[in-house]
Parts: sequence; structure tokens; C-alpha cells
Amino acid sequence: SQQGEEDPQALSIQEGENATMNCSYKTSINNLQWYRQNSGRGLVHLILIRSNEREKHSGRLRVTLDTSKKSSSLLITASRAADTASYFCATAYSGGYQKVTFGTGTKLQVIP
Amino acid sequence: DAGVIQSPRHEVTEMGQEVTLRCKPISGHDYLFWYRQTMMRGLELLIYFNNNVPIDDSGMPEDRFSAKMPNASFSTLKIQPSEPRDSAVYFCASSPPGRLNTEAFFGQGTRLTVV
Repeated sequence: SQQGEEDPQALSIQEGENATMNCSYKTSINNLQWYRQNSGRGLVHLILIRSNEREKHSGRLRVTLDTSKKSSSLLITASRAADTASYFCATAYSGGYQKVTFGTGTKLQVIP
Repeated sequence: DAGVIQSPRHEVTEMGQEVTLRCKPISGHDYLFWYRQTMMRGLELLIYFNNNVPIDDSGMPEDRFSAKMPNASFSTLKIQPSEPRDSAVYFCASSPPGRLNTEAFFGQGTRLTVV
């Protein structure tokens, strides 16, 4: 399966702390995206990083990409209770037919 | 814009019945995707359309599943006959022109329970 895998599967932190989630994938990619899913809701696109980029920021989000290790990390700084959600990485594979596949997700709980 | 609209939000049906899920993509988007989410298999792409034409249906699990997009503002996913293992949350998503595989806008999903 080309599906990415997030690590850890679940993470519980106190409000104000930083949260780091990791994603590993298997083959060459064009880009990697992170999505958030609140309980019972659809996924919301957070940020995209291209294969030729190493780091990207958006507000309290910082994404890194290491293509040599086929891994990415999502850092949420100064977490808030509203950040409680599941976070998924999605990879668009390069070569031949492109298809975005989603990882298994990290369930983040931010305790007020 | 109201975003991607799916209906119904919840569906409970008996095994063997036909189920039709509906989706209205964001106006102006020309890509439409159907995904299925389960605890066991995560989020799986079932089929996607571009300009109302099915491009890749390799994720459709079997012939019991079919999808149509008769116009740019409406798509259906039909399961006939339904089975308990089809129980899942089904998401529709759309993307704007030129944005395939870069950003998808998801609907709220339809939670299907087949008993």
C-alpha cells in the first residue's frame, strides 16, 4: 500500500504546549498535504509542501519534509483546545498516474 | 459559498436495500471525488470525476457500487444491494480547476449504517 503512516496514533497534551506529528511514506512524491478532521466532520486542508521544499509555515503550523527519509512532520505551536482533532497527511505520488492517498491519522487531544 | 454539500448526513438501511448518496460540489470546481472512511481501512478514494467524466474508478470495491455525475453540480454514489460491510462514512470532495492533488474541499460526510 502507498498509504502514509502517521506517528503517534494518539497524542494528548496540555493547552499551550507544542504538538508534533510525523508522517512516513513509501515512494517519490510531488507534494505532501496535511488535513485536519474534527470529530464527525469532513477533512479541512491545512497546508501543502512540495517535494522541492524543506519547510513551510502557516500561522501556528510548521511543516517539514525530508524526501531522503520519506518523512514529514507537522508542528502545532502553542496548542489550543480547539486544535483537538485528527490530523492526516496526504501524499501525491509522482510518476505515472497521480493519486492522493491519505495516512492513518494522529488523534490529538489538547487538554484545557 | 456553502461548501460541498452532501445528503443525507445519516442513513440507516437494511441489508439488500439500495442506497443513494448525493453530493453537490463547490460551484466552479471541476474535480469531484468520492471517499470512504472506516476505522479498519482509513480514508480510501473510490472514484473521481473531471468535468463530469469518471477518470479513475479503480477504488470502487465491487460492481455493487456505481457513481454518476450527470452535471457539474450534482453527483451520486449508489450501492445496490447494500451489505453490512459497506457501513462507513462516505465523503464527497471537490477541487478547483488546475488544483488536482493539491487541495480538496470535503463535505461533512454521510454516515451509512447497513443492518
